[in-house]
Amino acid sequence: DQQVKQNSPSLSVQEGRISILNCDYTNSMFDYFLWYKKYPAEGPTFLISISSIKDKNEDGRFTVFLNKSAKHLSLHIVPSQPGDSAVYFCAAHRSNDYKLSFGAGTTVTVRA
Amino acid sequence: DTGVSQDPRHKITKRGQNVTFRCDPISEHNRLYWYRQTLGQGPEFLTYFQNEAQLEKSRLLSDRFSAERPKGSFSTLEIQRTEQGDSAMYLCASSSTSWDTDTQYFGPGTRLTVL
Repeated sequence: DQQVKQNSPSLSVQEGRISILNCDYTNSMFDYFLWYKKYPAEGPTFLISISSIKDKNEDGRFTVFLNKSAKHLSLHIVPSQPGDSAVYFCAAHRSNDYKLSFGAGTTVTVRA
Repeated sequence: DTGVSQDPRHKITKRGQNVTFRCDPISEHNRLYWYRQTLGQGPEFLTYFQNEAQLEKSRLLSDRFSAERPKGSFSTLEIQRTEQGDSAMYLCASSSTSWDTDTQYFGPGTRLTVL
């Protein structure tokens, strides 16, 4: 069963504009959420995370928003840069159960 | 570079052969995870170790799969009697124990192709 869903398989955005990636989850026991970025032929690279006790976390150009009541989180990248072109995965885990459940990923293409 | 390393990066084998992959975690990390990723999907959890103890195995991990982490350092994942359905990217990740969360850092993966 897919407990973490990324319903948009792809996103195209112009350089300098905002990229917004969405993620929904079904397991209300999840309390920690992470975003990873993956280039072809490489492993996922950790980007940013958020605990369920917060609704926003910011790190440079990346901001993650969490809406627990809607079981929804989003990643904002602003401004988008060509190097941001990659596949982005949303992941989540429960307290004391650290295995990650991943979404299927969203491929972001940043156009010059 | 002290990130997670995996060897080999690519493996092509014939159906029915056995293969073994190695993962070297970040040195101070006590947790080590194995995931499998197929095309168009996110990584799926296979198993994890805390130090040398294997604490959980996914039902995805059939009895043809075995993982070890002797001495709590590197880990190996062996697949016996490979099948074409085993073709995937096998990812290793490591993390250190913390009070609330577990940020896992991934290696580059081993891409397995079973002919």
